Order: sequence, then structure tokens, then C-alpha cells
Amino acid sequence: QKEVEQDPGPLSVPEGAIVSLNCTYSNSAFQYFMWYRQYSRKGPELLMYTYSSGNKEDGRFTAQVDKSSKYISLFIRDSQPSDSATYLCAMEAAGNKLTFGGGTRVLVKP
Amino acid sequence: NAGVTQTPKFRVLKTGQSMTLLCAQDMNHEYMYWYRQDPGMGLRLIHYSVGEGTTAKGEVPDGYNVSRLKKQNFLLGLESAAPSQTSVYFCASSYGWGGSLAAHEQFFGPGTRLTVL
Repeated sequence: QKEVEQDPGPLSVPEGAIVSLNCTYSNSAFQYFMWYRQYSRKGPELLMYTYSSGNKEDGRFTAQVDKSSKYISLFIRDSQPSDSATYLCAMEAAGNKLTFGGGTRVLVKP
Repeated sequence: NAGVTQTPKFRVLKTGQSMTLLCAQDMNHEYMYWYRQDPGMGLRLIHYSVGEGTTAKGEVPDGYNVSRLKKQNFLLGLESAAPSQTSVYFCASSYGWGGSLAAHEQFFGPGTRLTVL
């Protein structure tokens, strides 16, 4: 079993809809939680990061962490075609080494 | 600032050949990483470095070697390429120290697509 599980999708939504992404994990030592966005044939870029449980909002993006359930989520409001990408969750216990989920491919249709 | 750059962008090798992938960063980061990305597998850490002259194994180190002779460069070597090493390779860097969340952000290069026949 992988330490971090993520539904591969693809997730197809109409423009303007809310995109809901999530990851589950098994390692209770994870304390830093990140979401990366990766466009086709590009390197990942950091979208959001949080420390411990709670919510964090940045524009149209909201990240949630529930450490008791070992579950993290990313919500994208008012989705745009430019949000079409693969979204990777990543987690860190200590030592600046990340463990990534497999990524979810998202397609926002105009 | 160029950020993180990788050379080459593409490469095709025959089984048994060797090659070196070069990663360079101009952000004065202490930590550097090499990942491979395969369909459905996410990014898996091959080797990493916490500073000039240091290297350490990651999750999937077999068949690869690395060197960090200069702070800004991190080299990944394949001594005898195998078809199982066909993948997209990403280099990343981070500050790696300090208590802020920003110290943990990894900046990625554009990737190298490697095919081993």
C-alpha cells in the first residue's frame, strides 16, 4: 500500500464549477502538506502549503487538512480552462523530503 | 533568475549506455533533489543532497549515482542504462533550513525525458 493515495482521475468539470481533490495518507508523522500543479510536459509548481490541521485559503484555492482522518483536500472555486492540469499532493514528515501522491488529472471544459 | 534548469531536455539511450543529467539552480538553495516520474506513480525521490559535497539515497536509488561538487549543481548519472529507467526526470531545490514554511518549498526544473531502448 502506498503511503499517499490519490485518485488518478481524470476529473472533468464545466467551467465555473468547483473542483474537489483529495488525498489520503497512512504516515501519522506527516506534518507539512502541499499541493503542486503540473501542466503537461512541465515541472510541478507549488500551489498551496499548510502545516498541521486546518484550512488555508488563497484566492480561488482552499486547502484543508484533517490529521485525525489522515485526509487532505484542495478545492478550486470558479474553475477556468487554465486550471486544466495534473494536481499532485505532497507530504513531509521531517528532513525536507516529500512523498507525493500519484496525481489527479483535471480537465475544465469551456 | 533562471530558477532550476536541466540539461538535456530529451535523450534516447541504448541498453548499457551511460549518461549524466545536469541540474543547475541560481537561488542559492542548500537542498537539491532528483526525482523520476512514471505514469500513475507520482514523483519518486532517487537521491538528494543537503549541501555541497553531500548526497543521500532516496526511495529508488538503485542504478543511479549523484554528485554535488558545487552548491549550484547536482548531477545524476546512469552507469549502465536499462529500459526500466525510461522515465521523466525532475530536479528540484529548496532552502531546506529555517522554521518558515517557505524553507520547505521545492522548486522544480522542466524535466528530462529519457528513453532507454
